[in-house]
Amino acid sequence: DVKVTQSSRYLVKRTGEKVFLECVQDMDHENMFWYRQDPGLGLRLIYFSYDVKMKEKGDIPEGYSVSREKKERFSLILESASTNQTSMYLCASSFGGSFSGANVLTFGAGSRLTVL
Amino acid sequence: DQQVKQNSPSLSVQEGRISILNCDYTNSMFDYFLWYKKYPAEGPTFLISISSIKDKNEDGRFTVFLNKSAKHLSLHIVPSQPGDSAVYFCAARNRDDKIIFGKGTRLHILP
Repeated sequence: DVKVTQSSRYLVKRTGEKVFLECVQDMDHENMFWYRQDPGLGLRLIYFSYDVKMKEKGDIPEGYSVSREKKERFSLILESASTNQTSMYLCASSFGGSFSGANVLTFGAGSRLTVL
Repeated sequence: DQQVKQNSPSLSVQEGRISILNCDYTNSMFDYFLWYKKYPAEGPTFLISISSIKDKNEDGRFTVFLNKSAKHLSLHIVPSQPGDSAVYFCAARNRDDKIIFGKGTRLHILP
C-alpha cells in the first residue's frame, strides 16, 4: 500500500561525493516535492516540480539539483555533498490544480543522509 | 523570513483533555492551510485542512479554526489520546502550489 517510495532509508556518504536520492510515486500525481527536515527548523522546501521536465526552486535550493524525466519519478541530486547537508530528506507528491485534494501532500518515509 | 510560524516547540497535555496547537502566518495570499502529524522515522501524514474561505473544519476529534484577520489558525484535539503524541506541522499553500511548513510542535500526551 506504499504510494511514495524513497529508494534509500539510510545513506552515509563522504564530503565531495555525488549523491542521488530517488523518489517514485504511483498515484499519477502532477506535483512532486523535496523537503529536508532538521531539528528546530521544521520542513524546508528544496525544489518542487509541477510537471515532467519542469522544476521550481524552493526556499533552500543551493547545493541541490533535481531531475524529473518521468511523471512518477523525482530525483534529488547533491553534486558535491557537504557536512551541512546531513539531514532527513522527505519526498512528497500531490495532485495539481486548485481543488481541495490538490493540497494534500503524500510523503515518503524519508531518507536519512549522513555526510562525513 | 518565516511565513508560517509555530511558536511553541513543545506542548504537554493530560490524556483526555484538549490539545490546542497554534500557528501564525504572514502571507495573506495563502489559500489553503493544512496540519500534518509526524512520528519519528516516518514521513508526515495529512491530518486535516481548511480553505481560506472557511473559519472552521471538523473531522472526528480534530478541529481546525482559521482567523484570517489575525492570520492565525489552531488545531484542537479532543479528547487527547496517547497515540496523539507526535510532532505536528502547520502548512500553508501559496497560489503557485508551493506548500510552506512551520517548524513543528512536539505534542506529549501524559498518562
